[in-house]
Amino acid sequence: SQQGEEDPQALSIQEGENATMNCSYKTSINNLQWYRQNSGRGLVHLILIRSNEREKHSGRLRVTLDTSKKSSSLLITASRAADTASYFCATAVDSSNTGKLIFGQGTTLQVKP
Amino acid sequence: DTGVSQDPRHKITKRGQNVTFRCDPISEHNRLYWYRQTLGQGPEFLTYFQNEAQLEKSRLLSDRFSAERPKGSFSTLEIQRTEQGDSAMYLCASSPSGRVEDTQYFGPGTRLTVL
Repeated sequence: SQQGEEDPQALSIQEGENATMNCSYKTSINNLQWYRQNSGRGLVHLILIRSNEREKHSGRLRVTLDTSKKSSSLLITASRAADTASYFCATAVDSSNTGKLIFGQGTTLQVKP
Repeated sequence: DTGVSQDPRHKITKRGQNVTFRCDPISEHNRLYWYRQTLGQGPEFLTYFQNEAQLEKSRLLSDRFSAERPKGSFSTLEIQRTEQGDSAMYLCASSPSGRVEDTQYFGPGTRLTVL
């Protein structure tokens, strides 16, 4: 079963604009991760934020985490056409030592040149 | 290329046939995961291995599914008596040690189409 929802399901922006995607989840987590998937391909890990962290940056990516609201957001600044992809949040459940990830349904981002 | 590899990349089969997929993880990665992804959805966990031991199986993994990792290196996922509902992308991922904060490295996936 899916962990939660991502919002919006689809996003279309112009190159240079910022893109914000939101993710909600249901259970207590150890960490939350964001992945990118280009059309029909495997997933690429982007960034991990631990449950005791509130914000994290990596290059043009900024992730926030609000454990009280069980939500996270991913901000991509100064978007490029190459950022066109599907973006998934995934949670590692706090009570589990398996390391298995529970993914959201994803946000499809289109960046127009 | 030292990433996770999967074979075949595409498989088309008729309903009722058996199929087997292979995953080669990154060398020396102890943990290996299988996920399934249907169109428009995020991946769903199927099972995972710590070395050669299969430690958890999702309820999604019916009796028709079996996975092995015989020597703690590559893994196979077999689906017997395939059904149209099995059509999906099957993704394999590996991680160094299985710590909950480890990054999982995904392969390109095997896309299965059951006619």
